[in-house]
Amino acid sequence: TQLLEQSPQFLSIQEGENLTVYCNSSSVFSSLQWYRQEPGEGPVLLVTVVTGGEVKKLKRLTFQFGDARKDSSLHITAAQPGDTGLYLCAGENSGGSNYKLTFGKGTLLTVNP
Amino acid sequence: EPEVTQTPSHQVTQMGQEVILRCVPISNHLYFYWYRQILGQKVEFLVSFYNNEISEKSEIFDDQFSVERPDGSNFTLKIRSTKLEDSAMYFCASRSTLQSSYNEQFFGPGTRLTVL
Repeated sequence: TQLLEQSPQFLSIQEGENLTVYCNSSSVFSSLQWYRQEPGEGPVLLVTVVTGGEVKKLKRLTFQFGDARKDSSLHITAAQPGDTGLYLCAGENSGGSNYKLTFGKGTLLTVNP
Repeated sequence: EPEVTQTPSHQVTQMGQEVILRCVPISNHLYFYWYRQILGQKVEFLVSFYNNEISEKSEIFDDQFSVERPDGSNFTLKIRSTKLEDSAMYFCASRSTLQSSYNEQFFGPGTRLTVL
């Protein structure tokens, strides 16, 4: 069974601060996706990383996929209250070619004004 | 921008009743999924569907569950006899096969199922 551990589970910071959240596994994934989920809504895709060592930037968000494709990180620079939300990582398993996602429990980020 | 849609947004039912949750995946996507999220817990895979058949199902997806793509656009999840523990958010997702958006799986807004 593939598991994804996200840390920290909760993070409360002040506006303007930088932060990093982590997504770790003992399993290799064919790709890893980061989502943001608001209460009562579906996960919204932020980015997909595919290649080991890959770095992708989305404005103030920087995503990195580990060289071994087992872990990933999300770094937010100069966080804003609008960044508040639940950040989920999900690993794609291409075994059997059904591409199902295994989700972590998420990091609940609160950015205080 | 194309999106996955789901209906209803909220379904309340009595234990033992049948429910059908409906999804319209993004057109030209060929892989379809159902996931569920019990309140406060992580999103869990239920079933994947490709080429008009189930390609994988989880332990959660027992004989009470079924999926169907009846008309080439809708993708449905049926629970034959609901149990209290089926109360959760159910998300439909679809995945492209296009190389330009390879690996990206898009989720619908979810249906909140409440079993009384």
